[in-house]
Amino acid sequence: GNSVTQMEGPVTLSEEAFLTINCTYTATGYPSLFWYVQYPGEGLQLLLKATKADDKGSNKGFEATYRKETTSFHLEKGSVQVSDSAVYFCALSPLGTGGYNKLIFGAGTRLAVHP
Amino acid sequence: GAVVSQHPSWVICKSGTSVKIECRSLDFQATTMFWYRQFPKQSLMLMATSNEGSKATYEQGVEKDKFLINHASLTLSTLTVTSAHPEDSSFYICSARDLVDTQYFGPGTRLTVL
Repeated sequence: GNSVTQMEGPVTLSEEAFLTINCTYTATGYPSLFWYVQYPGEGLQLLLKATKADDKGSNKGFEATYRKETTSFHLEKGSVQVSDSAVYFCALSPLGTGGYNKLIFGAGTRLAVHP
Repeated sequence: GAVVSQHPSWVICKSGTSVKIECRSLDFQATTMFWYRQFPKQSLMLMATSNEGSKATYEQGVEKDKFLINHASLTLSTLTVTSAHPEDSSFYICSARDLVDTQYFGPGTRLTVL
């Protein structure tokens, strides 16, 4: 089946620290991969995505590379800010399942950045 | 960007009653909306895919008679939890898909059944 596993939080960092949130997936075929972010009191927002192997998604200083050989899509940012504090969800969209664009989410990782 | 709203943001009801949750796309039309359920510290679980003008497609294990979905227009989908019980207490989130297949999420509705 299809599933997403991401590292448990919370992740607590000081401002300007380097961030990595690990995400691995299990899927048949070639899924699309996503990172969503949820700020307090708001809905999930698409942060970045990658649709094929070796693609790199990037946005707002965040990056993630689609690694088919390791079935991973780790989220990274070189220097986090307090405003990055949120919950981050890794997700995949399987292909050929009849549920076009349905998303399967990981459990979410809470990030807290302190000044 | 596109905005999706949900109403109410939270609701408390007695066991055995029904609760309706609305999901609206405010500035775009959505032929497809999705309903998710999220338990504390767990991932979002897709419950059903709601298609405008047709029956919803439910995921395996989701009771369609318990969770009634109506997608009556291109900007509105409703989820009705019928005969609610305490185990239905959860955070319900909807998303709407625009014409370029991007999903926009609502802020969620917290349901508490006493």
